[in-house]
Amino acid sequence: QVQLVQSGAEVKKPGASVKVSCKASGYTFISYHLNWVRQAPGQGLEWVGWMNPNSGSTGYAQKFQGRVIMTRNTSISTAYMELSSLRSEDTAVYYCAREGGWAWGQGTLVTVSS
Amino acid sequence: DIQMTQSPSSLSASVGDTVTITCQASQDISTYLNWYQQKPGKAPKLLIYDASNLETGVPSRFSGGGSGTDFTFTISSLQPEDIATFFCQQYYNLPPYTFGQGTKLEIK
Repeated sequence: QVQLVQSGAEVKKPGASVKVSCKASGYTFISYHLNWVRQAPGQGLEWVGWMNPNSGSTGYAQKFQGRVIMTRNTSISTAYMELSSLRSEDTAVYYCAREGGWAWGQGTLVTVSS
Repeated sequence: DIQMTQSPSSLSASVGDTVTITCQASQDISTYLNWYQQKPGKAPKLLIYDASNLETGVPSRFSGGGSGTDFTFTISSLQPEDIATFFCQQYYNLPPYTFGQGTKLEIK
């Protein structure tokens, strides 16, 4: 079955960067676009960006432009989201989600605190 | 970007009630709409896709309808395990794939 397994929780200081991974299994990794969505504590869902694992092309929400980079390693069916210049408002659970059936990873809590 | 307006933001209902949530898109999105259920500490779970199609394994008391800009999500015969927050999401054409603000459902 389709599974997306994300890396573990992270605690970062303001100004630092974080890289979250999302390992896919149960399907052909390059066949489906991957999205990243975040959810601040007690808040709704916010779309961060999108990647085509086949071509590597990406698209980011305007508010994250210049701070987020999405990459992938097709040999290990893993996608990555790196967010830089972290601030306290970036504290959230970050999810990867596959289009085409919209399967989601379990989420990765990123805490930004001095 | 397409804006999704979801209402109500919260609602309280009794076991056995029928509950309806609405989502309105800022432009025509055809039927490119998902409905999710999210329980505390868990990832969203897809219930309805393409506005009205029930995801495999989801109980038939959940249903969705609408097209264009106006959509509804209904739970008939509410069960205690349905307590959660529900979100709509549009995936029309190209990203960003925006979400509604969410509806928190409680049992009376």
